[in-house]
Amino acid sequence: DQQVKQNSPSLSVQEGRISILNCDYTNSMFDYFLWYKKYPAEGPTFLISISSIKDKNEDGRFTVFLNKSAKHLSLHIVPSQPGDSAVYFCAAIDSNYQLIWGAGTKLIIKP
Amino acid sequence: DAGVIQSPRHEVTEMGQEVTLRCKPISGHNSLFWYRQTMMRGLELLIYFNNNVPIDDSGMPEDRFSAKMPNASFSTLKIQPSEPRDSAVYFCASSLNPTALAGGDTQYFGPGTRLTVL
Repeated sequence: DQQVKQNSPSLSVQEGRISILNCDYTNSMFDYFLWYKKYPAEGPTFLISISSIKDKNEDGRFTVFLNKSAKHLSLHIVPSQPGDSAVYFCAAIDSNYQLIWGAGTKLIIKP
Repeated sequence: DAGVIQSPRHEVTEMGQEVTLRCKPISGHNSLFWYRQTMMRGLELLIYFNNNVPIDDSGMPEDRFSAKMPNASFSTLKIQPSEPRDSAVYFCASSLNPTALAGGDTQYFGPGTRLTVL
């Protein structure tokens, strides 16, 4: 059973608009979350993270929101740019301090 | 720094053949991870090493899969015999520590090896 779920396999957004990528988790003991970005033919690269003691973390155009009661986090990209087209993975840290990965969401930014 | 290096980048083989994937982690990193990515299951952790010692191989799908890390700068993932359902992209990643610590002690991924088993 997947502990980290990204229910949208893909998302298409107009350039300049906001992209919202969602992630749900089942384990209330997760206390740290990360987002990775992956371009075709490359490995994932770290993008942004958030600790459970926060509900928001911002880095430039990227903001991650965490709702612990709903076991939900989201990544907002504003404004979306063509270079943001990639697969985005949500990951959580488990009690063994290992990363538990979601299946990924493919973001397509339309010109 | 060259980053994590994987070879080959692409491998096409026939069912039943042995496949060996190679990884060179970032110098100074103590932990190495092998992942498999498929469309259906996303990223799956297969095994990880800390200081060249396998710590957790619970993600290895079958006995056909084996991994070694003979030294701090080299690891292999072997599939013998290979099957069509093994077709996937295999990533190697390394990090300073075995744990994903608060503060974003992230894993650094190689470019992956795309394996196709016919």
